[in-house]
Amino acid sequence: NAGVTQTPKFQVLKTGQSMTLQCAQDMNHNSMYWYRQDPGMGLRLIYYSASEGTTDKGEVPNGYNVSRLNKREFSLRLESAAPSQTSVYFCASSEALGGRQPQHFGDGTRLSIL
Amino acid sequence: SQQGEEDPQALSIQEGENATMNCSYKTSINNLQWYRQNSGRGLVHLILIRSNEREKHSGRLRVTLDTSKKSSSLLITASRAADTASYFCATDHTDKLIFGTGTRLQVFP
Repeated sequence: NAGVTQTPKFQVLKTGQSMTLQCAQDMNHNSMYWYRQDPGMGLRLIYYSASEGTTDKGEVPNGYNVSRLNKREFSLRLESAAPSQTSVYFCASSEALGGRQPQHFGDGTRLSIL
Repeated sequence: SQQGEEDPQALSIQEGENATMNCSYKTSINNLQWYRQNSGRGLVHLILIRSNEREKHSGRLRVTLDTSKKSSSLLITASRAADTASYFCATDHTDKLIFGTGTRLQVFP
């Protein structure tokens, strides 16, 4: 069972470079999420997609863009990377939006920006 | 933003002992979830408790919820070395989950 797959697992960028983090789920879930995890701060929601064709900002959207490519895939793009975006990024999915639904997480992308 | 805060931040116990972690939150909720995160991995959902429930069990896990105190606790009984992980509570308020900062549990063999 693949669940939620994130690529790449590790990436080092220079300030100002751009990159796209990929996420795919095979559970036919409607909702997908991007979080960042920083030491001592828990997970913070960057963007989410309630269903295919919709995206919305979360708590910390500045510096990021997202694309819900289809029901399976939800990508996160850094247009001009900054050192403050050094973090571990997690993609998650759930059957539907809302706190009654457990979220399923990928194993993360560890991103360092020099 | 509303956020659950776990207490303690870190906990070290011996195998066989019980581990209790607490979560406090700021505003009213509909549901509260607990997750586990092993080192270098993503979060794994453990248990969900609704606002009208006071206690819930799943195997060696026992979760309580006190909405009057805006707090929840996660009890792991008869802990094992494999329980070593970080544990997070997550609360919902407007259809999204807000995660706490987590409790790091170390279980020594």
